[in-house]
Amino acid sequence: SQTIHQWPATLVQPVGSPLSLECTVEGTSNPNLYWYRQAAGRGLQLLFYSVGIGQISSEVPQNLSASRPQDRQFILSSKKLLLSDSGFYLCAWSVLAGKYEQFFGPGTRLTVL
Amino acid sequence: DAKTTQPNSMESNEEEPVHLPCNHSTISGTDYIHWYRQLPSQGPEYVIHGLTSNVNNRMASLAIAEDRKSSTLILHRATLRDAAVYYCILRPYNNNDMRFGAGTRLTVKP
Repeated sequence: SQTIHQWPATLVQPVGSPLSLECTVEGTSNPNLYWYRQAAGRGLQLLFYSVGIGQISSEVPQNLSASRPQDRQFILSSKKLLLSDSGFYLCAWSVLAGKYEQFFGPGTRLTVL
Repeated sequence: DAKTTQPNSMESNEEEPVHLPCNHSTISGTDYIHWYRQLPSQGPEYVIHGLTSNVNNRMASLAIAEDRKSSTLILHRATLRDAAVYYCILRPYNNNDMRFGAGTRLTVKP
């Protein structure tokens, strides 16, 4: 069966510090991978998605970036965190686009102070 | 992008059916209707999806209006564990992303 892992589960970082969140998927090949952010009390916002190694599409311009160095690994990074980067970051995968469901990881709660 | 409209919140009693509505008047012919739910401090969980016909699975039923401009997620017997935010989302058949709105916060009372 497929599983998706995210770490760390929680993170507290000072403003201006770098960020690296990691997501890995097991049990499937060539998945579509996604990064979402959820601000407190809000819906999810799609940040990035990837259909293959090295292929990243950005949905919202910001100080975050994403990379996919391996088929089942998706990394979210920032060189300098802002207060507004605080939120709940979720990684998800799907087989294909459109009608297929997305499966979400447990999330990382990031607090920027 | 096609938009959905849901009530901000709904309440239900335990073991009673719950009907969660969603309006999507600008839906296109190739948009799938997806429902997800999110329990507190967890990632969203897939519930059900459909295109034109009503759908049933072990979690819920999805009733789709004939003109597809609205749909209803039906929980046949609400339990306390069904308390969550329910999201109705339209996905074009060839699109990778899902646009989550604010959803409906369902409260289940014992």
